[in-house]
Amino acid sequence: QVQLVQSGAEVKKPGASVKVSCKASGYTFTGYYMHWVRQAPGQGLEWMGWINPNSGGTNYAQKFQGRVTMTRDTSISTAYMELSRLRSDDTAVYYCARDWTAMVTIDYWGQGTLVTVSS
Amino acid sequence: QSALTQPASVSGSPGQSITISCTGTSSDVGGYNYVSWYQQHPGKAPKLMIYEVSNRPSGVSNRFSGSKSGNTASLTISGLQAEDEADYYCSSYTSSSTLEGVFGGGTKLTVL
Repeated sequence: QVQLVQSGAEVKKPGASVKVSCKASGYTFTGYYMHWVRQAPGQGLEWMGWINPNSGGTNYAQKFQGRVTMTRDTSISTAYMELSRLRSDDTAVYYCARDWTAMVTIDYWGQGTLVTVSS
Repeated sequence: QSALTQPASVSGSPGQSITISCTGTSSDVGGYNYVSWYQQHPGKAPKLMIYEVSNRPSGVSNRFSGSKSGNTASLTISGLQAEDEADYYCSSYTSSSTLEGVFGGGTKLTVL
C-alpha cells in the first residue's frame, strides 16, 4: 500500500533553516509528482510547490520563491523540502502529498511534520 | 488570500443535504476539469473525497458528489451524518503563472 512517512517534529529559531523528509513506499516513486502543502495552526491548506521526482524539476508558489528548495533522492525514494530564513509565521504542519494526475489531484498525504519557529 | 473562494462555514442536521461552493476563474475552476475536494478532521491529514469534478475514489461514500458550472464547483453531501463534521477544501489545477491559490480557504461543516 502507498505510504508517505515524514520526519519528526522540529523546533527552530528565527532565521534558521529546516529540512523535512518524506519517504515513499508502495509505488514507483519516480512516477508521480510530489507536492508540499503547509497548514498553520487553525488555518487552511497552503500549497508550497511540487517536485517531479523523475526529472528533479520543481515549481514553487511565488510566495516561497527564494526560500524553499525541493529535492529528491530516487535511490531511497525520498523527497525533501527545505525552508530557509524561518520566521514565526512559518510555524505550521508541513505535508508531503502525492499527485495522482500531475494536475493537482492529491491522493495520498504524509502524516505531517510540525515545524515550530520560536526564539 | 486564496484564489478559490469557499464559504467559511455551513451547517445541517443529520439526514439533510448540504452544498459547499468553490468559486474561481476561467484560469482554474472554469478552465479545467481538475477540481478536487478534500475532507480534513482535526489533527488529521486531508483525505481525497472527489477528483476531476465529480469522481469518487474507491471507498468514498456515494453520499458525496461533485459538480461544476462555469467558474464554480460544488460539493454536495446527502444524508448528513455526524462523522461528516469536518473541514472541506477544494482545489483546482491553475494556469496562473504564479501557481498561487491552489486550495480554497476551507469550509467548516457543522452537523447540528
